[in-house]
Amino acid sequence: EAGVTQFPSHSVIEKGQTVTLRCDPISGHDNLYWYRRVMGKEIKFLLHFVKESKQDESGMPNNRFLAERTGGTYSTLKVQPAELEDSGVYFCASSQESYRGWTDTQYFGPGTRLTVL
Amino acid sequence: QKEVEQDPGPLSVPEGAIVSLNCTYSNSAFQYFMWYRQYSRKGPELLMYTYSSGNKEDGRFTAQVDKSSKYISLFIRDSQPSDSATYLCAMSPSGGYQKVTFGTGTKLQVIP
Repeated sequence: EAGVTQFPSHSVIEKGQTVTLRCDPISGHDNLYWYRRVMGKEIKFLLHFVKESKQDESGMPNNRFLAERTGGTYSTLKVQPAELEDSGVYFCASSQESYRGWTDTQYFGPGTRLTVL
Repeated sequence: QKEVEQDPGPLSVPEGAIVSLNCTYSNSAFQYFMWYRQYSRKGPELLMYTYSSGNKEDGRFTAQVDKSSKYISLFIRDSQPSDSATYLCAMSPSGGYQKVTFGTGTKLQVIP
């Protein structure tokens, strides 16, 4: 079974440009999460999809970030326009189902390393 | 103040040593406590999780949670060079979905 895949693995762009990151979750996983790790800091939650709906987007830093999950399959995270502080590693994770009081394993992808110059 | 504090290390130990990794937290709402292992250029991989206080053992790994002290630990017995990685503690509140809060991670090197 394929794991969570992310594309590209590394992106270098200039300040002001647009970048779109893609995440393909494990097949059948309804939950999809985006996280970000800025250099020297902890991995931080950005948002959570349940199928195609945004369940929680409290971690999105500002309106330059737009996440979509059309059809409840893969997801994209667009940064427009990119700023220097957006540099970091963006992780995607997926899990099967969530029930109240139960945690499902979140499987992480390898991450996309974004460098904004 | 960060919700989760973790010593970044690095921690260097000889092969066969017992390793102790720790985190403290401030949010009383956390109910699920996890340890992830991350190899270089890879995503975090869930090692173990525990619910509420207590111990959990899985092979050479033991996770401990002390909610009264807001303190969690991961012990690795008979450490191996293949255990060299960054270990991340993580926590989440109970509920229908799991927004995970991570520590910064401790880099461990096991020397043959």
